[in-house]
Amino acid sequence: SAVISQKPSRDICQRGTSLTIQCQVDSQVTMMFWYRQQPGQSLTLIATANQGSEATYESGFVIDKFPISRPNLTFSTLTVSNMSPEDSSIYLCSVGETGYSPLHFGNGTRLTVT
Amino acid sequence: AQTVTQSQPEMSVQEAETVTLSCTYDTSENNYYLFWYKQPPSRQMILVIRQEAYKQQNATENRFSVNFQKAAKSFSLKISDSQLGDTAMYFCAFLTLSGNTPLVFGKGTRLSVIA
Repeated sequence: SAVISQKPSRDICQRGTSLTIQCQVDSQVTMMFWYRQQPGQSLTLIATANQGSEATYESGFVIDKFPISRPNLTFSTLTVSNMSPEDSSIYLCSVGETGYSPLHFGNGTRLTVT
Repeated sequence: AQTVTQSQPEMSVQEAETVTLSCTYDTSENNYYLFWYKQPPSRQMILVIRQEAYKQQNATENRFSVNFQKAAKSFSLKISDSQLGDTAMYFCAFLTLSGNTPLVFGKGTRLSVIA
């Protein structure tokens, strides 16, 4: 299974600032997914990132707030922009393949906005 | 759209006992996969077990097994000989094979194993 490194593991940020989360995979993958997990909640998909094309955002998430980069097949970043306390969550990177393969997750980034 | 329902927000079990976590789902698809993930306090999402819908045989991974009832759209997880390290949130998840779609998660069940 793929090994996924996600950084930072946690951060405390001030309102109005931005944070970029990095996700590095030890193998080439077609699809990368970014999820948000609000306190005590399940995982909600933010967007799907394919290399070489713009990310596809789910309802309720917009590119201006959560810009995503996917420069190659092993790396992606998610930026949480102009943060507010409501953005305090765990953000998780997940990888998958076309067709089926087990979907694996990074260790997550715990973000606290004060 | 697919939905996944976990009707048990919290459960507890005595160490060494057996516990079953429930999951139902709704889909019009015929080819899909189902998963159980474990999320301990470390927050890492750990894949516990998976089931391919086309397989009639229930999946088993050591102390973890599933009861997959395709017609009833039910996918329960049985944990045998519960251990303190099994304490975690457990999420049921669905993956369709039609297109490159992500996992759809249930709301989770918080399991506490009591010594």
